[in-house]
This record gives sequence, structure tokens and C-alpha cells, in this order.
Amino acid sequence: DTEVTQTPKHLVMGMTNKKSLKCEQHMGHRAMYWYKQKAKKPPELMFVYSYEKLSINESVPSRFSPECPNSSLLNLHLHALQPEDSALYLCASSQRVTGNYGYTFGSGTRLTVV
Amino acid sequence: QQQVKQSPQSLIVQKGGIPIINCAYENTAFDYFPWYQQFPGKGPALLIAIRPDVSEKKEGRFTISFNKSAKQFSLHIMDSQPGDSATYFCAASMVASGSRLTFGEGTQLTVNP
Repeated sequence: DTEVTQTPKHLVMGMTNKKSLKCEQHMGHRAMYWYKQKAKKPPELMFVYSYEKLSINESVPSRFSPECPNSSLLNLHLHALQPEDSALYLCASSQRVTGNYGYTFGSGTRLTVV
Repeated sequence: QQQVKQSPQSLIVQKGGIPIINCAYENTAFDYFPWYQQFPGKGPALLIAIRPDVSEKKEGRFTISFNKSAKQFSLHIMDSQPGDSATYFCAASMVASGSRLTFGEGTQLTVNP
């Protein structure tokens, strides 16, 4: 298995809703990442998990809450989002944070906040 | 110093043409330079990557040229096909220290039939 699987593929949520994005990989990668991508822009790093511990938080608002339950799963909990948070949310993984030569990205969750 | 500048922003070629996308960086500590290909509605996929100890790398129709002294690298797509129409991102990172990928702004490539 060489894929990063993200669910759901599409999500529409109101500003008062609570929802979660899920990411799963079975490549034995010990580093997992959340990125946010706006249209026609490169991905922006949000969070990095290394060996299930949060190692980087790129000053992301607290309405985004990451969770790494085990080495294969990564969640992103969403609460009280704003319309400007609408974007493609990408999960990625790599063998380790250091010394690795490439990320594997999932196909993303297209989030629309109404 | 962390920026990677990518050009052009968009590019249109005819089938069989050789589109060239250029990137320039400032930070000489970067030691890994990947190119990602992204189709609409999909995540970026690693296309090809190079380290600064080589000046050129080929994988199929895709070639990276690397100029360490000029701090520039470029992607060439030989015999381009309509299926190559996508957004291409260059990136750079420091492998040993585990720095995050620094992406260029992207190039939207259209290959007309």
C-alpha cells in the first residue's frame, strides 16, 4: 500500500458545526503532515507529527485541532470555522521528518464553510 | 532566504513541445529539490527530484537541470502530451535538518492537442 487515504473527499459545514477530517497511511511512515491549499496557490504547512507527537504547529488558529491516535492515523478536528477557511486540506506522510526524500500526499478534502 | 521563486506562472504549448519551468532559490543550505505535479481535485504527486551533487536527472520524459552556482533548477518535459496538463510546483528542503518543503508558486501548464 503506497497511498495516503483522506476522508471525506468533500465537506460542507456551517460556521457553528464541528467536523473531523481523517487521514490514513499504511506505509510505515512515522511523519505525518497537514497542509492547507487555496486555489492556484502552493500547499501551506499547518502541522507536523513525528512519531505520533506534534512537532510543528505553524501558528494555526485553535479552531483547527490535530490529533494523531496512532502511527497510521491523523485527524484534523474543525470547530467554528470561518468562510475564509474554505480550501483543499491535504494530508501527507514521509518516512521520517529528517533524512527523507519525499512526501506522499493524499487527494485531499475539499472543505467549504458556509 | 526561504523563498523559492518559480516562473512562468502559466504556460501553453502544443503537443510535442518542450515546456520549461524555472525555479530559483536563495538558501544555499537547501539540498533536496523535488518537483510535484498536481491535477485538479488531487493532491500533489512527486514527479522527480534532484540533489545538488548532480547537474541533471532524467526520468522518462521529465528532466531536471540543476545549476548550483546560479542557484537555479528547471524542469523540462520532452514530447509533451495533453495528459501532462497540470500545475507543477518546484520545492526545496534541507533533508538532514528536516525542514519543511518550501514550495514555488506553481506553474499551470496546458498542452494543446
